[in-house]
Amino acid sequence: QQQVKQSPQSLIVQKGGISIINCAYENTAFDYFPWYQQFPGKGPALLIAIRPDVSEKKEGRFTISFNKSAKQFSLHIMDSQPGDSATYFCAASSDSWGKFQFGAGTQVVVTP
Amino acid sequence: GAGVSQTPSNKVTEKGKYVELRCDPISGHTALYWYRQSLGQGPEFLIYFQGTGAADDSGLPNDRFFAVRPEGSVSTLKIQRTERGDSAVYLCASSLKGWRGGQETQYFGPGTRLLVL
Repeated sequence: QQQVKQSPQSLIVQKGGISIINCAYENTAFDYFPWYQQFPGKGPALLIAIRPDVSEKKEGRFTISFNKSAKQFSLHIMDSQPGDSATYFCAASSDSWGKFQFGAGTQVVVTP
Repeated sequence: GAGVSQTPSNKVTEKGKYVELRCDPISGHTALYWYRQSLGQGPEFLIYFQGTGAADDSGLPNDRFFAVRPEGSVSTLKIQRTERGDSAVYLCASSLKGWRGGQETQYFGPGTRLLVL
């Protein structure tokens, strides 16, 4: 049972373009939504996270947009760079639950 | 070390054998998590330790899988009678306080790549 659905599976974007990754969740008890970035051969690393009391959070070139009523959230990577080429995972958890439910991942390739 | 370390980085074994995977969390982190990541998938939760005790082991797939953290630091994931389907990357993560501290950043190690032939 996949509680967090992520799309697209992969995307290719030109340098300077915008990468957009979407996630949808089912469990309304989720109240913490992190995004993780993973490079080949490495473990995932936290990129940015949001709680449902805000609709948007921005850190540098990375922005999370959150739609509580639709139970959806997305990651926008502005001015994409070749160094952003990685796999991105969305996740969800709750304070009373703790463990993360991860999406299946999106492989992003930024071409020069 | 500054980060979470895992050993071995790669493990090849034969079906039916026993394996142990080790995780060294960040010093001072009370919470430790084990995940399993199959090819092309996101990490899947296995077990969570708060200190020495397993606070949630609901993700362990069956009784062939067992994990310990006897002194509240290093943890070992043990897999008995390995099967080809156990082949995956096993990730360990740690966080400062765990659930009692609300939502925290989980810091992941590089993983152990297990291949069961």
